[in-house]
Amino acid sequence: NAGVMQNPRHLVRRRGQEARLRCSPMKGHSHVYWYRQLPEEGLKFMVYLQKENIIDESGMPKERFSAEFPKEGPSILRIQQVVRGDSAAYFCASSPGTGIGSPLHFGNGTRLTVT
Amino acid sequence: GNSVTQMEGPVTLSEEAFLTINCTYTATGYPSLFWYVQYPGEGLQLLLKATKADDKGSNKGFEATYRKETTSFHLEKGSVQVSDSAVYFCAPNYGGSQGNLIFGKGTKLSVKP
Repeated sequence: NAGVMQNPRHLVRRRGQEARLRCSPMKGHSHVYWYRQLPEEGLKFMVYLQKENIIDESGMPKERFSAEFPKEGPSILRIQQVVRGDSAAYFCASSPGTGIGSPLHFGNGTRLTVT
Repeated sequence: GNSVTQMEGPVTLSEEAFLTINCTYTATGYPSLFWYVQYPGEGLQLLLKATKADDKGSNKGFEATYRKETTSFHLEKGSVQVSDSAVYFCAPNYGGSQGNLIFGKGTKLSVKP
C-alpha cells in the first residue's frame, strides 16, 4: 500500500518563475494537508483540502499561492512568481478522516530552492 | 489559541543513554497527543500516540504517557541508539480544521557512538 507520494523531491526555480508541487494521498484518503517547513523550524500549516473543496486555507499567503485537489489526480500546490523567501520544504499529508485520533501520513516532501 | 511547547534542542547523547524530551500542551478540551519523528531528508513519521488521559503510547522502545494533570506528554527511551538521531515533534490534535495537528518547533536529537 503506497504511502503519500510527492513529486518532485527537489525543485529549483529562478525568481519570478512558477513552482508546481504534486501530492498523491494514500489510497482511501480523501483529506489532504499542505505544510511548509523552513530550515531548523517546525511545520506551518498552509491549507486543508478535500476532493474538489478547500476547507481551510488560513495558513496560506493571500497572494501567489494556490492549492487544488481535483476529483481526479493529485493535489497541486502552486506558487506563482516565486521569490527567495519561498525556499523551503513543502510537505503534504493525508488522512482518511478528521477524527482527533486520526494521525496524518506524510510524504517525503518537495524541497524548493529559488535562485 | 492552542499551542504546544517542546524542550529546545539540540540534544546530544551517547549511545545507550536515557532520553527525555519534554512536551506540554495547552489545556483546552481533550486533545489526542502524537509524537512524530523526522529522519534527515524525509517526511514526518508517526512514532506513537495517546488518545485519552493516562494512556501510554509506545513504539520502537519509545514511550509517552498522557498526563492531563500536568498537560504533558514527555517522550522517553531507556537506551538510545545512533539510528535514533532525528528531529522529534510533539503534536496535539484538538480537532480543528487546520490539519488537526499543532506542531512545535521540534527537538533535534543527535546520538554519538
